[in-house]
Formats: sequence, C-alpha cells, structure tokens
Amino acid sequence: LAKITQPISMDSYEGQEVNITCSHNNIATNDYITWYQQFPSQGPRFIIQGYKTKVTNEVASLFIPADRKSSTLSLPRVSLSDTAVYYCLVAYTGGGNKLTFGTGTQLKVEL
Amino acid sequence: DGGITQSPKYLFRKEGQNVTLSCEQNLNHDAMYWYRQDPGQGLRLIYYSQIVNDFQKGDIAEGYSVSREKKESFPLTVTSAQKNPTAFYLCASSPPWAGGPPTATEAFFGQGTRLTVV
Repeated sequence: LAKITQPISMDSYEGQEVNITCSHNNIATNDYITWYQQFPSQGPRFIIQGYKTKVTNEVASLFIPADRKSSTLSLPRVSLSDTAVYYCLVAYTGGGNKLTFGTGTQLKVEL
Repeated sequence: DGGITQSPKYLFRKEGQNVTLSCEQNLNHDAMYWYRQDPGQGLRLIYYSQIVNDFQKGDIAEGYSVSREKKESFPLTVTSAQKNPTAFYLCASSPPWAGGPPTATEAFFGQGTRLTVV
C-alpha cells in the first residue's frame, strides 16, 4: 500500500515563496503526481500535475527529482487567499486507478 | 456546464437509519470515487468504480455500500453498520484511459455533502 506523507502544517507571510514537499517512496512507473488545494467545506481543486523534472503553470511549479520518490510544490509570492490545505496525490488516473491522497499540509499565510 | 454534482450539501439523519448520498457527473468519465473527510483529517477512500456495474473497496469500506448502474451516477449508502457516520463526504471522477503510455489526467471533485447523524 502506497504511503504518501507530507508535513502537517506550514506558516508563511504574504509575498514569500512556499515549498511543500511530499514523500512517495512506493511510486509506480506509470504514476503521475498531482497536487490539489482544498478550502474548508469544499472539494479539492486541481493545482498542478507532473511525471518528472519540472512543471510550471500560472499558479505553481512542481519539482520532481530523478528517482521520483518525492515531489515539491512551489507557490511563488503567496497571499492570504492561499491559506488552505494542500494534498499530494499519486496515481495513474488514466486507468481509473485507486487514488490515494497524501496526509495533507495546512498552509497558513499571514500579513 | 460539465461537472460533478453532489446533493444535498447538508444532510441530517437519526442514528440507525441508512442514508444515500447522491453523486452525478456529466463529464463522461468512466472512473468515480467516494472519499470521507473528518475534521482536520485527510481524504480517505471509501469505494471506487472503474466502469459501470463494477466497483472496488477502498481503505475504509466497512459500513458503506455503493452501486454503479449508470456511467453518470455513483450513489453512496451509509448504513447503520457505520459506527461513526458523521463526516464530510466527497465524490470524484476521472477520465477514461486511452491506452498506451501513461497520460496525465485530472480527477474532478464535487463540492461535498456534510452528513450529521444525531
């Protein structure tokens, strides 16, 4: 059973860069790494997805080392509205695979 | 608009009663999932279905049942056997696999149903 771990919480200030790590030692060859953001009482929202090296979109970057046993979500210049729980998910979603979420990281952004 | 609809948003039931949570999607996705979330906790997989008329147990299936008679619908029944049913329930779906090398796909989530059993 895949074990996916994240830091429980992180604190930051507005304008800073935040890096959240995810450990997924048992990742399979066909698994993709996806990050989601969740606000209280809402469904998770997709942030970014990658397979290896680096992926960047308009809101975040995702860094994946060569062994793919971990990944790092990077949020540039966070704001108060980025306060949320961030989840890492590892799965080959294309096959309707069992989707297993990481433990989640509560990010708190302050002024 | 395409998406996943969970209803109702809030649901109250008396202890000992079965209750069914609705999840409907018009995204033409083959795979659908049910998760449970407790306060301050992560998402735990209850059941998932890769195709119509087929489903598998997740990590915490005891006390729950599902059906998948139609592609767009994946209702979850919380039975009286579930000892702590009060929680936030999330439904999700993901696109079908087109075959070949791994392709990146995204799981889409509904807005959740908060079930309170009194």
